[in-house]
Amino acid sequence: SQTIHQWPATLVQPVGSPLSLECTVEGTSNPNLYWYRQAAGRGLQLLFYSVGIGQISSEVPQNLSASRPQDRQFILSSKKLLLSDSGFYLCAWTGQEYMNTEAFFGQGTRLTVV
Amino acid sequence: GENVEQHPSTLSVQEGDSAVIKCTYSDSASNYFPWYKQELGKRPQLIIDIRSNVGEKKDQRIAVTLNKTAKHFSLHITETQPEDSAVYFCAAPNQAGTALIFGKGTTLSVSS
Repeated sequence: SQTIHQWPATLVQPVGSPLSLECTVEGTSNPNLYWYRQAAGRGLQLLFYSVGIGQISSEVPQNLSASRPQDRQFILSSKKLLLSDSGFYLCAWTGQEYMNTEAFFGQGTRLTVV
Repeated sequence: GENVEQHPSTLSVQEGDSAVIKCTYSDSASNYFPWYKQELGKRPQLIIDIRSNVGEKKDQRIAVTLNKTAKHFSLHITETQPEDSAVYFCAAPNQAGTALIFGKGTTLSVSS
């Protein structure tokens, strides 16, 4: 069966520090991968998605970047965190059928920038 | 790009009552409309979805209706129970059909 791992679960980082969140998927090949951010009152905001290795699409301009170095690995990064980067970050995957299949979410990372 | 609006942002009902959450979307080409439930402290999970070739779909106490002409779809929960309390999100595909765009969520509270 397929599983998605996301870590760390919680993170407290000072303003200006770097960030690296990692997400891996097991039990499937060529998944579509997504990073969402959940902030109070703003729902699930799509940040990045990837349909293959090295292919990254960004939905909104921001202080973050994403990379997909391997088929089932998706990384969210920042060189210098801002207070506004605080939030709950969720990784997700779907099959290659795009939006005709269920999206499976990781357990999320609660990021607090202080 | 796709824009998904969801209402209301909060909804409080008594146990046994019905709850309705509505969403509108902007891209007339969208053809897939899922609903996700997120319990407190947990990840969102799919509860029901509908494709554009049908107008309604039911699964026990939950149902989703779709009006493509008006570009809106709704989640209906009947005979609500306390365990239905959660945040519910609607979604629709982005213009490229490669990612889901979510609404801002509805916090449903069911009191016994």
